[in-house]
Amino acid sequence: NAGVTQTPKFQVLKTGQSMTLQCAQDMNHNSMYWYRQDPGMGLRLIYYSASEGTTDKGEVPNGYNVSRLNKREFSLRLESAAPSQTSVYFCASSARQGPGGNQPQHFGDGTRLSIL
Amino acid sequence: QQQVKQSPQSLIVQKGGISIINCAYENTAFDYFPWYQQFPGKGPALLIAIRPDVSEKKEGRFTISFNKSAKQFSLHIMDSQPGDSATYFCAARRNSGGYQKVTFGIGTKLQVIP
Repeated sequence: NAGVTQTPKFQVLKTGQSMTLQCAQDMNHNSMYWYRQDPGMGLRLIYYSASEGTTDKGEVPNGYNVSRLNKREFSLRLESAAPSQTSVYFCASSARQGPGGNQPQHFGDGTRLSIL
Repeated sequence: QQQVKQSPQSLIVQKGGISIINCAYENTAFDYFPWYQQFPGKGPALLIAIRPDVSEKKEGRFTISFNKSAKQFSLHIMDSQPGDSATYFCAARRNSGGYQKVTFGIGTKLQVIP
């Protein structure tokens, strides 16, 4: 029972390089999310996809792009990496919420990204 | 703008003691308040959650106390164990068109010493 799978687990980039972080979920969830986690700042939302075919900006979208490839997969792309993007990136998914719904978000184990 | 304020940032508790983490929120549109537990090298995982129409929820050694009028909620870990050592995040969720808009606190790193 995999849940949310993120690849790669670790990555080191040089400033200006590009890369794509991959995320896939096998729980048939409608919504998917990308967060970054930095010390003393908690989890901040970068982008989200409420349902297949839609994406929207979160709190800290600058420098990132996303693609909701299908219902299972949601990728995060850094076009020109900067040292300020050094962080741990988490993908999450959740089931569609009806009124009063209490389905939690399910997280992957993260991608640890260092940009030199 | 920090919509969910969490304290303390770090906490050291003796084995068998009570760990208490506090959170406060501002937005009255939040309708669900989960707590997540995160171990090193892992993603956050739901620990326990409460809705604002309930003042307390208990699951085993973990209890959420919720004060709607004060817009505050807290996590109590009774009989704390070394295995509880982790980072804890409070969060507040607003349901928005079927997806979840979740705001997280900054996290509390709990260390339970033998």
